[in-house]
Amino acid sequence: DSGVTQTPKHLITATGQRVTLRCSPRSGDLSVYWYQQSLDQGLQFLIQYYNGEERAKGNILERFSAQQFPDLHSELNLSSLELGDSALYFCASSNFTGTARYEQYFGPGTRLTVT
Amino acid sequence: AQSVTQPDIHITVSEGASLELRCNYSYGATPYLFWYVQSPGQGLQLLLKYFSGDTLVQGIKGFEAEFKRSQSSFNLRKPSVHWSDAAEYFCALFIFRGGSQGNLIFGKGTKLSVKP
Repeated sequence: DSGVTQTPKHLITATGQRVTLRCSPRSGDLSVYWYQQSLDQGLQFLIQYYNGEERAKGNILERFSAQQFPDLHSELNLSSLELGDSALYFCASSNFTGTARYEQYFGPGTRLTVT
Repeated sequence: AQSVTQPDIHITVSEGASLELRCNYSYGATPYLFWYVQSPGQGLQLLLKYFSGDTLVQGIKGFEAEFKRSQSSFNLRKPSVHWSDAAEYFCALFIFRGGSQGNLIFGKGTKLSVKP
């Protein structure tokens, strides 16, 4: 158990809909990352937040957005969903301090299926 | 350009045999490298990391990895594989963007099958 939690575990929705994925980082970790894992693209970085502020962006579509709240949990919002958005979405966290600053610990993921 | 390459998509080894999974990286600065393992339907578990210092690093579950700067490689090894090691293995490179900014980039993964 990494200490990172994600809900829901599975999500099935229709094209055009909007969903929200939730992540709680490990206790003490200020940084949250979102990654997408799909068969064709592999593991891709989407976005990073640090202590409530957006820090880095990767291959995140404009239809996707995220935020990190004062209690450090994060949400990833996916809208106008397309079939190609079906994937496993991971949240990871790190503390960005000390010798372990770059280590990221991953949650169990949310499997999104768009039908 | 920054990249991580895992040349082997799928490897099959016999239980008890040794294992080496290859990873090559391309990065213009000091690399921070990781190996993660993903069992079916599971998240990613950190096996080991390399930041600096000793080029041979030890991890969990009996895994080790050797960093070779001259070859831009970070290969994962295990002397004797167990059936429970069957999983997908990902090599990752941390891309540091300054301050508290950065992210991992991953190789495509190597799927390990273990024959009894």
